[in-house]
Amino acid sequence: DTEVTQTPKHLVMGMTNKKSLKCEQHMGHRAMYWYKQKAKKPPELMFVYSYEKLSINESVPSRFSPECPNSSLLNLHLHALQPEDSALYLCASSRFGTSGGPETQYFGPGTRLLVL
Amino acid sequence: DAKTTQPTSMDCAEGRAANLPCNHSTISGNEYVYWYRQIHSQGPQYIIHGLKNNETNEMASLIITEDRKSSTLILPHATLRDTAVYYCIVRGETSGSRLTFGEGTQLTVNP
Repeated sequence: DTEVTQTPKHLVMGMTNKKSLKCEQHMGHRAMYWYKQKAKKPPELMFVYSYEKLSINESVPSRFSPECPNSSLLNLHLHALQPEDSALYLCASSRFGTSGGPETQYFGPGTRLLVL
Repeated sequence: DAKTTQPTSMDCAEGRAANLPCNHSTISGNEYVYWYRQIHSQGPQYIIHGLKNNETNEMASLIITEDRKSSTLILPHATLRDTAVYYCIVRGETSGSRLTFGEGTQLTVNP
């Protein structure tokens, strides 16, 4: 089973709203990722958690706040977003996420976010 | 990580083999070639990866040239469901957690 689930599938929010995206995997992976994908562009890495600790933050604005409550769950808390933050937000996981070598990442279906 | 170059788009007839090329002329000895694809509005899907030898799995075959400067992903019998953007990514030990996508190739399988 290589399934990563994400909820919700679609989200519409205003610029003053607070919302959260959720990601879950049950593959025993210890690394989880958030990517952002704008229309007609490739995915771009935002955050990496390895063993529940934030290991990479690609200079993402603080209005995006990741959280990893346990090794199976990953949240992305959203606050005071801008219309240009509208995108497909993808979650992924891999076995370890360490710097010891490349690992296969498995992606969820994404959450399509629209900020009005 | 070594840079990759892929054609922007390709067409293939349904039932025929789809051969997707990728150039990675600056690849180093310990870097792997990974292929992912992304069907419209879905998450990227891992296809296959290799280091030096050719690889085959239930989805595709990966042919890497002897000098490792290029590779070809082969979908042996393309179906309409194979229409997607295909990403060739070179990753090495220093990649760690990073998976850096290029622009990829839009493959369209035609009936």
